[in-house]
Amino acid sequence: AQRVTQPEKLLSVFKGAPVELKCNYSYSGSPELFWYVQYSRQRLQLLLRHISRESIKGFTADLNKGETSFHLKKPFAQEEDSAMYYCALSGGSNYKLTFGKGTLLTVNP
Amino acid sequence: GAVVSQHPSWVICKSGTSVKIECRSLDFQATTMFWYRQFPKQSLMLMATSNEGSKATYEQGVEKDKFLINHASLTLSTLTVTSAHPEDSSFYICSARGTSGWDNEQFFGPGTRLTVL
Repeated sequence: AQRVTQPEKLLSVFKGAPVELKCNYSYSGSPELFWYVQYSRQRLQLLLRHISRESIKGFTADLNKGETSFHLKKPFAQEEDSAMYYCALSGGSNYKLTFGKGTLLTVNP
Repeated sequence: GAVVSQHPSWVICKSGTSVKIECRSLDFQATTMFWYRQFPKQSLMLMATSNEGSKATYEQGVEKDKFLINHASLTLSTLTVTSAHPEDSSFYICSARGTSGWDNEQFFGPGTRLTVL
């Protein structure tokens, strides 16, 4: 079974502060990990995924297989980063996504 | 590119009636579409996976006779909530996976808010 855990429901930081959204997963095989973001009143959209190893909007995430983690980080948070962030896992050939419960990030001015 | 639309965006119906929700990929062909349900302030729960031209695969605990899914073309999948009851009230979201170029990426629709009175 595949499971994604996001331990923080809410995270509040000040503008310019570093931010880290935690994600841990459980999967017996080799997973593909994603971060999705949902801004207020908008649809869910892909932020980044581990296989592309890219930085989007200043966010990065590294897959740590030893700790089964895929934490999302940004060194200097901006107010426009305020949104709901979901970590998701895909395993196997069926392309199904298992989502974590999400973390609501609020960046205060 | 890679836009997914849903119609309607919201619907209110009486208990016992059926409601159909459409999910369309506007500028790409989607071999696979997924239907999710999202309760207030909760995560997305996958209901079923729909492949064009074949029967949908439902997740454990999802009643296939209650939530009918049809994926008749590469750009359209429909979810019909049959004999809806108040407990079916929820936010239903679809996503689509392209035939090429996007690997494992899913593109999400804006969602449909269903309220059953």
